[in-house]
Amino acid sequence: GDSVIQMQGQVTLSENDFLFINCTYSTTGYPTLFWYVQYSGEGPQLLLQVTTANNKGSSRGFEATYDKGTTSFHLQKTSVQEIDSAVYYCAMRDPGYQNFYFGKGTSLTVIP
Amino acid sequence: EAAVTQSPRNKVTVTGGNVTLSCRQTNSHNYMYWYRQDTGHGLRLIHYSYGAGNLQIGDVPDGYKATRTTQEDFFLLLELASPSQTSLYFCASSGPRVNSGNTLYFGEGSRLIVV
Repeated sequence: GDSVIQMQGQVTLSENDFLFINCTYSTTGYPTLFWYVQYSGEGPQLLLQVTTANNKGSSRGFEATYDKGTTSFHLQKTSVQEIDSAVYYCAMRDPGYQNFYFGKGTSLTVIP
Repeated sequence: EAAVTQSPRNKVTVTGGNVTLSCRQTNSHNYMYWYRQDTGHGLRLIHYSYGAGNLQIGDVPDGYKATRTTQEDFFLLLELASPSQTSLYFCASSGPRVNSGNTLYFGEGSRLIVV
């Protein structure tokens, strides 16, 4: 069945460190892939959408890449800041069923 | 700017109590969703809807009912609340077409505590 796996539950970095979060997905179709960010006390909001056509997207210094061969997608940022501390979710939308599937989230703490 | 509004934002009820969580979206979206968020589980889909009068079962529907009365309004009902339903609930809406770039817009969440 359709699913998204996000293994990194918690990540702690220092400012200016490199961030890399990985997710894998499973589906029979050609999904659209997303990264959502959730700041404390708020609902999740879209950070990036990664289309299969481009294989990558970028926003606010974050870059997302997509590898169809390994059915994986990644979120990275070269130099994280304290304000990037949040929970990051990867997600997939299957065009066939119009539904969204989320990973379990990665809680990022950036130490100044 | 897309808008999804949830109420109440916080609710405490007793075991066996009756709770209704409300959600209204002003995005003219067809799709609406109810998720629960729990530590270690992330976001889990309870129920969703394609439009007024439509209801689809999500991944964790037990103990929950939902009703979509209009395109704007989607309600989540807990008729016999249990402590296991203590959680943070999110409503979300989206458009129907993946290729148009539509994504999920979330509300700010409703925190429910069942004692």
